[in-house]
Formats: sequence, structure tokens, C-alpha cells
Amino acid sequence: GAVVSQHPSWVICKSGTSVKIECRSLDFQATTMFWYRQFPKQSLMLMATSNEGSKATYEQGVEKDKFLINHASLTLSTLTVTSAHPEDSSFYICSAATGTSSYNEQFFGPGTRLTVL
Amino acid sequence: GQNIDQPTEMTATEGAIVQINCTYQTSGFNGLFWYQQHAGEAPTFLSYNVLDGLEEKGRFSSFLSRSKGYSYLLLKELQMKDSASYLCASMDSNYQLIWGAGTKLIIKP
Repeated sequence: GAVVSQHPSWVICKSGTSVKIECRSLDFQATTMFWYRQFPKQSLMLMATSNEGSKATYEQGVEKDKFLINHASLTLSTLTVTSAHPEDSSFYICSAATGTSSYNEQFFGPGTRLTVL
Repeated sequence: GQNIDQPTEMTATEGAIVQINCTYQTSGFNGLFWYQQHAGEAPTFLSYNVLDGLEEKGRFSSFLSRSKGYSYLLLKELQMKDSASYLCASMDSNYQLIWGAGTKLIIKP
């Protein structure tokens, strides 16, 4: 089956620093990658959708200058949380869609838990 | 507007059957997904329905009624490891997933 990895799986950083999270599709080419944020006991919230080689599309209320997304290849997308603050502490999950299936199933990465001190 | 509703929490007994309901309102409906999410982990795919009817896959089955905007996930022979949140998500005309808040399923011995 399709495998998506994320790195790191968890990170603790100081307030004001930047953190980069990688999302890789290991055995397939992902035409589209999605970034989600999930706070405890809440549903997944879509942050942005990125297509390889083009700018990401951000959901309303998500600051594109704070959450930088780069989708440089069909197997790698990165999310950089710039000038992180404690309220950015969350579980960040990426997913990748092959675009080849009729229903574009998303395959999820294992998630990255970010804690900002 | 687009909306997904599912119960917040359900409790069931090991070995029993439980049905988790989901109602949705989605523009340009392109299917209904069910995912399982254990605490602290990412969701894992369970099922996809786009046509009316019941899809059975082992102990899990999923049902869809497009005319009613309704789906359910049926879990049989419940095991303790089935304790998790179950997320219902509909896909809209842009192939974006609209997520429900999830149903926390608690299994008791």
C-alpha cells in the first residue's frame, strides 16, 4: 500500500524559532499533498493544499506567511512553522493523494507533534 | 453550506455490535470516507462509499444513502483494540475532504 512518512515525529522548540516538517510519499508520486492540524479532542483542520510545482492554497484563517509550504517534488512537501509560539503547539499531519484513483484517496503520514515552549 | 454531524462519544461492550451514524451536507458530493484514529496517531482509512448501499469488509461495514445524506459505520464482534475515534468525511466537488469531529468509541470488557 501507499506509504507516507513524516519527519520529525515530534519536536520541542523555543518560542520564536522556526520548525520544518517534512512529508514524503515513499512508494508513489503524490500529485497533491494536504497539511492538517489537529488540536486535542478536535477534528482534523485542513490548513492548505499543495500541488507539485505550484503555490499552496491556504484555507481561510491560515496565515501563509507563518506556515510556509513547499512542494518541490512529487514525493516531498515541507511545512515550516515560522516564529513559532505556544499556541502553535499541535499535531500536524500531512496526507498525499495519487490523483490516479477515481476517488483520490488520501494516504496519511504518521503526524508530527509540535510543542512550543 | 457544508456540514458533517456524528455523535461525540459512544460506549459498547466487547463482542457486541455498534453502529456509528454520520449525516452530511456537501456540495457536489464525491463520496463518503470513514477513518479510524487512535489517540496520538494519524487517521487510517477504513472505507469509501460513493454508491448507495452497504459495503462489507471483514468486521467493518459501511452504508451510504445519498438521498438522505446519511452514512453509518457498523463494527461487529468488537475488540478492545477498536477503542478509537472514528472520523466521517465527505468529499466535495473539488475533491476536498470535509471532516466530522469524530466519534470516540469506548469499548468495555
